[in-house]
Amino acid sequence: TQLLEQSPQFLSIQEGENLTVYCNSSSVFSSLQWYRQEPGEGPVLLVTVVTGGEVKKLKRLTFQFGDARKDSSLHITAAQPGDTGLYLCAGARGTYKYIFGTGTRLKVLA
Amino acid sequence: GAGVSQTPSNKVTEKGKYVELRCDPISGHTALYWYRQSLGQGPEFLIYFQGTGAADDSGLPNDRFFAVRPEGSVSTLKIQRTERGDSAVYLCASRPNTGELFFGEGSRLTVL
Repeated sequence: TQLLEQSPQFLSIQEGENLTVYCNSSSVFSSLQWYRQEPGEGPVLLVTVVTGGEVKKLKRLTFQFGDARKDSSLHITAAQPGDTGLYLCAGARGTYKYIFGTGTRLKVLA
Repeated sequence: GAGVSQTPSNKVTEKGKYVELRCDPISGHTALYWYRQSLGQGPEFLIYFQGTGAADDSGLPNDRFFAVRPEGSVSTLKIQRTERGDSAVYLCASRPNTGELFFGEGSRLTVL
């Protein structure tokens, strides 16, 4: 059972466009992480958010944790082909049990 | 090695056979996780270890799946009487105290 639903499932955009990926749940998480995964590799951590309402920026990527700690968003400004990949959110239940979202596959066309 | 190592990288087996997948975590990481990932989907939690003991095994699908970590380092995921539905990429991750998961490249299991 996937407790974290991501939308959209697929996204294909042109280089330079902006996009937002959503991660939603009915459950509260103690923290939430975003990962990016490329074909044939394991996911790699982008960011961890802990506090409700927290906003973190990583170059052109902006991450926000919902006030109630049930949802999160990832916004990419001026997307580049190198941003192509599978984006995954992961919520921590209890101490360190990480549950992953359904994933958003992003393709940025040059 | 510097990262999480998983072997084999690819395993093809026949329905009903027994399979073992090995994970060698980053040295010093006390926590170790197993996930299963189907094509294009997010990883599905199976089990995680804190040291030698299974802290949470609630994700194991049924009693055909078993995992051990006898010395608190290397872990083995064991699958008995494999079924075609077990075909997936099995990911292992280890975690230091910071909370970040470091993943291996996965073991792709194909059950014919």
